[in-house]
Amino acid sequence: AQSVTQLDSHVSVSEGTPVLLRCNYSSSYSPSLFWYVQHPNKGLQLLLKYTSAATLVKGINGFEAEFKKSETSFHLTKPSAHMSDAAEYFCVVNSYDGGTSYGKLTFGQGTILTVHP
Amino acid sequence: DGGITQSPKYLFRKEGQNVTLSCEQNLNHDAMYWYRQDPGQGLRLIYYSQIVNDFQKGDIAEGYSVSREKKESFPLTVTSAQKNPTAFYLCASSDRGGNQPQHFGDGTRLSIL
Repeated sequence: AQSVTQLDSHVSVSEGTPVLLRCNYSSSYSPSLFWYVQHPNKGLQLLLKYTSAATLVKGINGFEAEFKKSETSFHLTKPSAHMSDAAEYFCVVNSYDGGTSYGKLTFGQGTILTVHP
Repeated sequence: DGGITQSPKYLFRKEGQNVTLSCEQNLNHDAMYWYRQDPGQGLRLIYYSQIVNDFQKGDIAEGYSVSREKKESFPLTVTSAQKNPTAFYLCASSDRGGNQPQHFGDGTRLSIL
């Protein structure tokens, strides 16, 4: 079984300040973890992925995330928010058991990021 | 550019009517997926297909049907049996392999007239 919990449904920051979006997960297998971003009426765009290599993962648009197995967390950060970062963000876990070619994705409920001028 | 194309962007359904949402990809991906997105509920899997002429039910398949006759195409039909079809529908694709990221189209918003 697997699950994802995004700890904040809404996060509000000022432009130029750091962003922290929190995600905890549970998984029966070694997980792959992803962060996606969704702008209004658009599909999901992959920001970054963790697949058992380096625990600090760098993504697009200055975002990065750190995989902490002991805390079962995969928080998304960015040093300085930009107005264009305002969107909804989804943390996603894929617990691939190695027995089939399909690993089911489980999505968090989403965190809406608001950026104030 | 490679990507996933969903059409139409907006769709309206009358009571008792079946409607079909189109999804085409030119990424040469084997696997394709359909999700439903409702406000505050994240994404829920409707159907997925790992290879042509094969597909599997996801978590909320009731009232929906799919086909996979070509690698590039994975249309979704919302039947009249789906009593609450108003939602944002997202199609995705990925390479085979359990830990591959999925790539998404821009979605179709379905509403009831």
